[in-house]
Amino acid sequence: KAGVTQTPRYLIKTRGQQVTLSCSPISGHRSVSWYQQTPGQGLQFLFEYFSETQRNKGNFPGRFSGRQFSNSRSEMNVSTLELGDSALYLCASSLDGQPYEQYFGPGTRLTVT
Amino acid sequence: AQTVTQSQPEMSVQEAETVTLSCTYDTSESDYYLFWYKQPPSRQMILVIRQEAYKQQNATENRFSVNFQKAAKSFSLKISDSQLGDAAMYFCAYRSQGTSGSRLTFGEGTQLTVNP
Repeated sequence: KAGVTQTPRYLIKTRGQQVTLSCSPISGHRSVSWYQQTPGQGLQFLFEYFSETQRNKGNFPGRFSGRQFSNSRSEMNVSTLELGDSALYLCASSLDGQPYEQYFGPGTRLTVT
Repeated sequence: AQTVTQSQPEMSVQEAETVTLSCTYDTSESDYYLFWYKQPPSRQMILVIRQEAYKQQNATENRFSVNFQKAAKSFSLKISDSQLGDAAMYFCAYRSQGTSGSRLTFGEGTQLTVNP
């Protein structure tokens, strides 16, 4: 089975712009979670989508949003980028009901200048 | 809210020796899952080992084992016969069993160096 894929792998944006990141889960996985990783804050949960519905949300401002499509692919969007949004964004997919099997993608490295 | 604490920002071990990474957590829940993830320089998060809180037996996966002390809310990872490929950042993570879906709460991480 193909693993979790994330595109793009690297991205450079300017303050004030918006960005969209994509995550394709493992085939058959309906749950997709997003995490932000920074040196200062560590790994923080952004949100989780299951069957096109946001099931859980972390403590991030409304500039961070996401969605999930009928094929379980997910996108996250960050509007009005700030320097502090520079981070590695990781997504993870899992089968619902399988608490162990959460697989992570390689991440998207976002740099905001 | 649950919190996870890893008090060792860095650890080092000689190749072939044993090292233990510490993790404590705080929760009011009785049923939950605990994980250790490894993140090598490639940044790919890899599940190392998992533990269900209702199981008293400590989980073991080849050279990796845990010491789960539920009352003390402690979950340490022991790596035996350390190999150069074990060098990575290790994260302890907590997941509720309840209605919070797949959300993981991570510790700050421990950077493990393996010396040849």
